[in-house]
Amino acid sequence: DAGVTQSPTHLIKTRGQQVTLRCSPKSGHDTVSWYQQALGQGPQFIFQYYEEEERQRGNFPDRFSGHQFPNYSSELNVNALLLGDSALYLCASSLGAGVFSNQPQHFGDGTRLSIL
Amino acid sequence: GQQVMQIPQYQHVQEGEDFTTYCNSSTTLSNIQWYKQRPGGHPVFLIQLVKSGEVKKQKRLTFQFGEAKKNSSLHITATQTTDVGTYFCAGPGGSQGNLIFGKGTKLSVKP
Repeated sequence: DAGVTQSPTHLIKTRGQQVTLRCSPKSGHDTVSWYQQALGQGPQFIFQYYEEEERQRGNFPDRFSGHQFPNYSSELNVNALLLGDSALYLCASSLGAGVFSNQPQHFGDGTRLSIL
Repeated sequence: GQQVMQIPQYQHVQEGEDFTTYCNSSTTLSNIQWYKQRPGGHPVFLIQLVKSGEVKKQKRLTFQFGEAKKNSSLHITATQTTDVGTYFCAGPGGSQGNLIFGKGTKLSVKP
């Protein structure tokens, strides 16, 4: 039973560039959430996708956007990268967005994004 | 906005000693979740507490949810080196319904 998988593992970009991160949810899960985790901090909620639509969004600018595909996999896109975007980006899956905040999150290993 | 605070930020213990981390929310929570993140790893779900005053145990780990549902604690009895990592509490956000994580308590265990 495959867990949450993310790609790539590591990524180095320069300021102003754009990046796309990918996530496949745990088998049987239909909801994908993205988190940003800066060094020494807890994960910060970016947004959540369910039924191919953004259902919830945290306090992140429009430079952060996403997509969910019919097979429940998801992408996170970040435009006009800033140095402050350097972080670990975590994807988490769960079942049933209607009670999102009550569902345990199953996290992937994350993508370590470094901005030079 | 709603905040979830954890103390202490760091805890260094000798193997065999007990460890406790505390979590406080600025608002009443419908539930609270605890996660553990090993160094270089990802958060792993440990437990969810829902009821006021609830106490749950997992082997050497004891989780409590306060009567007012605004605070919680995780206590580890007789720590082992395998307990090393950062422990996060997380509660549902306000109107957005997102999950808000505390900053975590980083536990190190000296053999």
